[in-house]
Amino acid sequence: DIQMTQSPSSLSASVGDRVTITCRASQRISSHLNWYQQKPGKAPELLISPTSTFPSRFSGSGSGTDFTLTISSLQPEDFATYYCQQSYSTPYTFGQGTKLEIK
Amino acid sequence: EVQLVESGGGLVQPGGSLRLSCAASGFTFSSYWMHWVRQAPGKGLVWVSRIKSDASSTAYADSVKGRFTISRDNARNTLYLQMNSLRVEDTAVYYCARDPDRCNGGICYSQFDYWGQGNLVSVSS
Repeated sequence: DIQMTQSPSSLSASVGDRVTITCRASQRISSHLNWYQQKPGKAPELLISPTSTFPSRFSGSGSGTDFTLTISSLQPEDFATYYCQQSYSTPYTFGQGTKLEIK
Repeated sequence: EVQLVESGGGLVQPGGSLRLSCAASGFTFSSYWMHWVRQAPGKGLVWVSRIKSDASSTAYADSVKGRFTISRDNARNTLYLQMNSLRVEDTAVYYCARDPDRCNGGICYSQFDYWGQGNLVSVSS
């Protein structure tokens, strides 16, 4: 199975900050990497995939084994937990999550 | 509007069985791959199973292989997860998710673009 490792596991930041979360795959996955946002008590939501990107302040980069999610200017609604997920091969493993909290 | 509505969860004893359903509406269900993902209380997301749009192919996480069965009824726009021999460690919120399997430049990418609201399965004596 492909292991996905996110860092950091948690992060404190302020509104307006630029934030970067990294995700590393245990083997090459080309660009088959998705990012999801999950708020407490809610289902995850797709944030970034190789074929789509949602709010423009979110961007994703990387290929192979190393990937990043960048939020250019944090908004209050961005405080949530973020997961990366590889869709290169089953089982489609997720990272352990990065909890983004308000400083 | 795309909607995925799960049902069938609840409390069950170890060794018991449950069948989860996911009723789809607002899109052509038979055109999409579908998945189940679970999340134990306070933990992260874990992919469980996948089924192709025409049900010709399925895949499972090792932790559920041989105990869980994914299926679909495209005439009823419904996805199922039959869970047998349930264990305490299967306790989780179970989500169904839609996969448009979008293609770009000849390469197709799996992604979960819509999710159900989640359904809690508790396995306890």
